Amino acid sequence: GQNIDQPTEMTATEGAIVQINCTYQTSGFNGLFWYQQHAGEAPTFLSYNVLDGLEEKGRFSSFLSRSKGYSYLLLKELQMKDSASYLCAVKDSNYQLIWGAGTKLIIKP
Amino acid sequence: ETGVTQTPRHLVMGMTNKKSLKCEQHLGHNAMYWYKQSAKKPLELMFVYNFKEQTENNSVPSRFSPECPNSSHLFLHLHTLQPEDSALYLCASSQEGQEGSPLHFGNGTRLTVT
Repeated sequence: GQNIDQPTEMTATEGAIVQINCTYQTSGFNGLFWYQQHAGEAPTFLSYNVLDGLEEKGRFSSFLSRSKGYSYLLLKELQMKDSASYLCAVKDSNYQLIWGAGTKLIIKP
Repeated sequence: ETGVTQTPRHLVMGMTNKKSLKCEQHLGHNAMYWYKQSAKKPLELMFVYNFKEQTENNSVPSRFSPECPNSSHLFLHLHTLQPEDSALYLCASSQEGQEGSPLHFGNGTRLTVT
């Protein structure tokens, strides 16, 4: 079967750096997405990786290793507003999105 | 308005009621989706419409009935639901055929079946 694994919950301190990991086992690979979802709100798109390496967007970066079936989302200079769930999703060989259950990130002052 | 809008935001219904969820996208996208989100579970794809044609129906019970009258509007008709159908129902749109095109989600309808 197809599977995406992410930690259920993580805690970090305001101003620090946190890395949220995502490992996947899918039938084929056609890109990986990260989304942010604040409680009671819609998921919003953060990043897309299809080639190996690091994509940087301001305080957020996303890394992909296709050979290892692994990605991470790196958040720098954490702010209280970064408290949210972070969803990892992979497009398989049929271009179907396979979703992880999400990682709830709690930021403490 | 911009983006994807869903109504209502909250819905409480009994098991014998009939209700409909509405979604509208203002992004000019060619695909629309219904997802179910339950606590601590991955998003579950329910229905996909590409260019108004339903292309996906992931073994969803017949008590959920989608309707896509045009490329901007999507409905989910609900009848004789069960308590386990209580969840957040998310509508999304995307531009299929464009690599890396992400989903744009509405804020969802929080459904409670009593």
